[in-house]
Amino acid sequence: DVKVTQSSRYLVKRTGEKVFLECVQDMDHENMFWYRQDPGLGLRLIYFSYDVKMKEKGDIPEGYSVSREKKERFSLILESASTNQTSMYLCASSYGGGGYEQYFGPGTRLTVT
Amino acid sequence: QKEVEQNSGPLSVPEGAIASLNCTYSDRGSQSFFWYRQYSGKSPELIMFIYSNGDKEDGRFTAQLNKASQYVSLLIRDSQPSDSATYLCFLWGSSASKIIFGSGTRLSIRP
Repeated sequence: DVKVTQSSRYLVKRTGEKVFLECVQDMDHENMFWYRQDPGLGLRLIYFSYDVKMKEKGDIPEGYSVSREKKERFSLILESASTNQTSMYLCASSYGGGGYEQYFGPGTRLTVT
Repeated sequence: QKEVEQNSGPLSVPEGAIASLNCTYSDRGSQSFFWYRQYSGKSPELIMFIYSNGDKEDGRFTAQLNKASQYVSLLIRDSQPSDSATYLCFLWGSSASKIIFGSGTRLSIRP
């Protein structure tokens, strides 16, 4: 069974803090993704990584950065958290290329106060 | 125009009937299309994928793709209360930046 884990289910941070969200997959997938999900807006891609140290910006990369130093781990970093980054963050992974199923982690509900 | 459009619903369908979910997209270079189901409070999970024009059936589910008209649909036959969820259309487009989910259609199956 593919397993994608995220470091926290719930997180509360203060405005201006640096926030790290971690994602680990155990299926040797090449692709990893970070999305945020907000009511009425669906899932929006923040960043996509297709290999170690490789990344592509998604639709809403502003205010975020990512790190992929090892194949199994993909980190999302909020450099200076703001209240408009309060959201559900979902990590996913898939085999390389564009035609494979994405497997999702359980999500992290981040609240920035 | 949004790149992937879905009717947000809610779509209410009686138990046992056919539920029809639709998705239109703008990127003509899109290669692969997916339907995910998301229960409230849970993560999305794959229902079906389709790459070629036409129909693809898997049990009670049929995916339909029409690249000329730029739409993909999901039919659920013999709808069950357990099908009540949000259905998300997803496509891999013509470039790495074209990885797009629709905003989802909320489906409710009434007994």
